[in-house]
Amino acid sequence: EAQVTQNPRYLITVTGKKLTVTCSQNMNHEYMSWYRQDPGLGLRQIYYSMNVEVTDKGDVPEGYKVSRKEKRNFPLILESPSPNQTSLYFCASRSSNSGNTIYFGEGSWLTVV
Amino acid sequence: AQRVTQPEKLLSVFKGAPVELKCNYSYSGSPELFWYVQYSRQRLQLLLRHISRESIKGFTADLNKGETSFHLKKPFAQEEDSAMYYCALGTGGFKTIFGAGTRLFVKA
Repeated sequence: EAQVTQNPRYLITVTGKKLTVTCSQNMNHEYMSWYRQDPGLGLRQIYYSMNVEVTDKGDVPEGYKVSRKEKRNFPLILESPSPNQTSLYFCASRSSNSGNTIYFGEGSWLTVV
Repeated sequence: AQRVTQPEKLLSVFKGAPVELKCNYSYSGSPELFWYVQYSRQRLQLLLRHISRESIKGFTADLNKGETSFHLKKPFAQEEDSAMYYCALGTGGFKTIFGAGTRLFVKA
């Protein structure tokens, strides 16, 4: 089954403790991206990657890092989480063909206390 | 500036009533417009896109370049349509801009 899988789904952590949210897709998609979803603000793009070793900042990259060492994986790294990073995070992937659908993961609820 | 505006945060209608979720965009190039839906406790999924000109679950959306709009419509709302709806603008590559979303609540 074609899907985007992210882990963990739920996490409570403390300020400053590094964490990584993993994302994996099995559709051989070139494009992958991370979004955060906040009430009243919709989905905002954090980082995206157009292929292996090619990443770029989205609209709200501060406080986040990403890497794309393999085509299927695109982890999101919070080096020193802060409470304002408490949010629902979505990983997504898409083929490079224009107009193709974006496939989303199930979301990761992150709370930073 | 590239922007997607969904003016209604919440839309409440009765079952069987028509529903229209508004979406306006700002983009100087040739836009790709999408509607995504998020049902309770589920992941976001594509509902429809303007290039397909299709009707999904009774919903349709027409791209109006003159008014820069891509409103989502359904003539008779059903309770199972209750969800969060996001309008999205594709600007080429993987830069997709989402609106703030509209929560649709269909009352019995």
